[in-house]
Amino acid sequence: GAGVSQTPSNKVTEKGKYVELRCDPISGHTALYWYRQSLGQGPEFLIYFQGTGAADDSGLPNDRFFAVRPEGSVSTLKIQRTERGDSAVYLCASSLASNTEAFFGQGTRLTVV
Amino acid sequence: GEDVEQSLFLSVREGDSSVINCTYTDSSSTYLYWYKQEPGAGLQLLTYIFSNMDMKQDQRLTVLLNKKDKHLSLRIADTQTGDSAIYFCAESPPNSGYSSLTFGKGTMLLVSP
Repeated sequence: GAGVSQTPSNKVTEKGKYVELRCDPISGHTALYWYRQSLGQGPEFLIYFQGTGAADDSGLPNDRFFAVRPEGSVSTLKIQRTERGDSAVYLCASSLASNTEAFFGQGTRLTVV
Repeated sequence: GEDVEQSLFLSVREGDSSVINCTYTDSSSTYLYWYKQEPGAGLQLLTYIFSNMDMKQDQRLTVLLNKKDKHLSLRIADTQTGDSAIYFCAESPPNSGYSSLTFGKGTMLLVSP
């Protein structure tokens, strides 16, 4: 695609529910990143994929968060047992390689009520 | 861990120069970045500077890096109302390129006519 696409753009869920957020990177980009941006804060790194594997998942806050990229393209961020504190904009970015410019999607705004 | 700090708000008049400041803590950072975020839009990379440089100029943008003081600044010449946005400073860990960026909280730039 022309840019990084994230779906849905908005998601409202009840506390305790499971959610999946999808990221379609730019075609051919091998590196994919997830960040979380809380209100009034800068983006916070969550996880980085190189191809199908998670090269760095040190930013995932706890074991309720998990991400996959099974075919080295689309990635899904999965959050179990959502909490109100998970409410944020989840940003995805991709780059041709890990040392080239990362292009960000518009994000998924997650609201946990 | 790394920490990146920025002033939260800057207001200027159209045509003036804007200077947005940032301090960072990781002296081994390889690259330092400036991103722009407009309402409802994704993060846009404006410019970056390699850690062995003191200055980089790109059209209306000038980046100054004082590595001794760990201080980074972004100067926007002839600021326009379209420059109104949130500007984020970010650093990357050594040898990691764009992966696992650490962002500041952002500086909101308001340009009045």
